[in-house]
This record gives sequence, C-alpha cells and structure tokens, in this order.
Amino acid sequence: DIVMTQSPDSLAVSLGERATVNCKSSQSVLYNSNNKNYLAWYQQKSGQPPKLLIYWASTRESGVPDRFSGSGSGTDFTLTISSLQAEDVAVYYCQQYYSSPPTFGGGTKVEIK
Amino acid sequence: QVQLQESGPGLVKPSETLSLICSVSGGSVTNDNYYWSWIRQSPGKGLEWIASIYHSGTTSYNPSLKSRVTMSVDKSKDQFSLKLSSVTAADTAVFYCARSRYYYESSGFSFDLWGQGTLVTVSS
Repeated sequence: DIVMTQSPDSLAVSLGERATVNCKSSQSVLYNSNNKNYLAWYQQKSGQPPKLLIYWASTRESGVPDRFSGSGSGTDFTLTISSLQAEDVAVYYCQQYYSSPPTFGGGTKVEIK
Repeated sequence: QVQLQESGPGLVKPSETLSLICSVSGGSVTNDNYYWSWIRQSPGKGLEWIASIYHSGTTSYNPSLKSRVTMSVDKSKDQFSLKLSSVTAADTAVFYCARSRYYYESSGFSFDLWGQGTLVTVSS
C-alpha cells in the first residue's frame, strides 16, 4: 500500500495569513502516461464528513474558494490556504488514488492563532 | 442535489456481523459515472477505505478487510450496503458511505460526496 505522510500534525495561523500543509507519498503518484498526479485533498470540519477540495493535485472541486490551492508532483505535495478565514478551521487530509487500496494521510489540523 | 445517508445499528457485539445501508437520494446508484464506497474513520487508524461497488455489482475490497467484507447494491431502492463479519473492538469507528470516482487506468478511487457518517461501536 502507498503510505501518505502529512506534516505538520497541526498548525496555528493568524487570520488572513497563509497556511501550508504538506503531504508525502511513499512512492510516486505521478502517472507517466497522462502526466497527472493521482492526489486529492479533503477538508473535514468538526462533526462533519470530509469534503473533497482538490483532485489531480491542483484542480479545485467546483465551488471551492480560490484561496485553496494544491501543488507538487511525484511524491511531495502541498495544500496552501492563501488567506486563512475563520471557516477554514478544519483537519485536512491528502489521499492517493494512484493504486488500490486508496490511502489517506493522517491529517493536519489547522487552527486560528 | 445528491445526498447519501447511512443507517444501521450503532452497537454490535464482538464476533457478530456489522450491517449498514447507504440510501442515495436526489440521484441514482445506476449513474454510470460513479462507484459507491464505504470508508471508516477511527482515532487509531484514521480514514480507511473499506470497499466500493458499481451498479453492475462489480466490487473492489481493501485486501486488509477483504475476508470479512461484503458489499451489495439494490438498484430498485437506490441503496448499497456493507456487511463486516467477525467484528472486534478494533472495528469501532464512524462509517461513511461515499460517491466515488473510479480511475480505470490505476484502479484507484477518489470520493466526491460523503454521507454524514454513523458511529458503530463494537462492545458486549
């Protein structure tokens, strides 16, 4: 199975400041035949199910604010919240769909400083 | 819009079989674009994919759970179900059903719509 490792476990950022979450996969999730990274990001607010934010490592799901962006390739990925809002307090997960079984990172908790 | 809702017992005894149903409203399980999945979340293991099913009945199971898992789909009711046998305390978790995108070239899944989840506790 591909192991997804996120860092940090938690971070506190001031409102309006940038938040950065990292995700590393134990093997590349870049598919050479189509040059796509099979990597998704989810947001889970307290008491709610996860919500898909980003797929193909950098494509925002419909309706997701453009302050959320994804980057990276191969084994190293980043989710950036460009200007943290109060409603962005949540746990963020990465997930690979390069191979089965799909696997998730352990999550990064983002809080307001 | 499409919504998913899990239902089933919140308490299951050790060694028994956990059974859950996911009801799909505002859409159909026969939508050709999607698979339908179960994912669980526990403090100890985080988010763990359990299994997925297509409306044709084609299934994909997590090898770590395959020997204990059965999924089925009821197209007439727009429901799909999960059975997990021989449960132990380690199976205590919030179980989510989810609509899934399937990537044929990788046999991978992403999950674009989730139910609210249901807590299942395994205890005598």
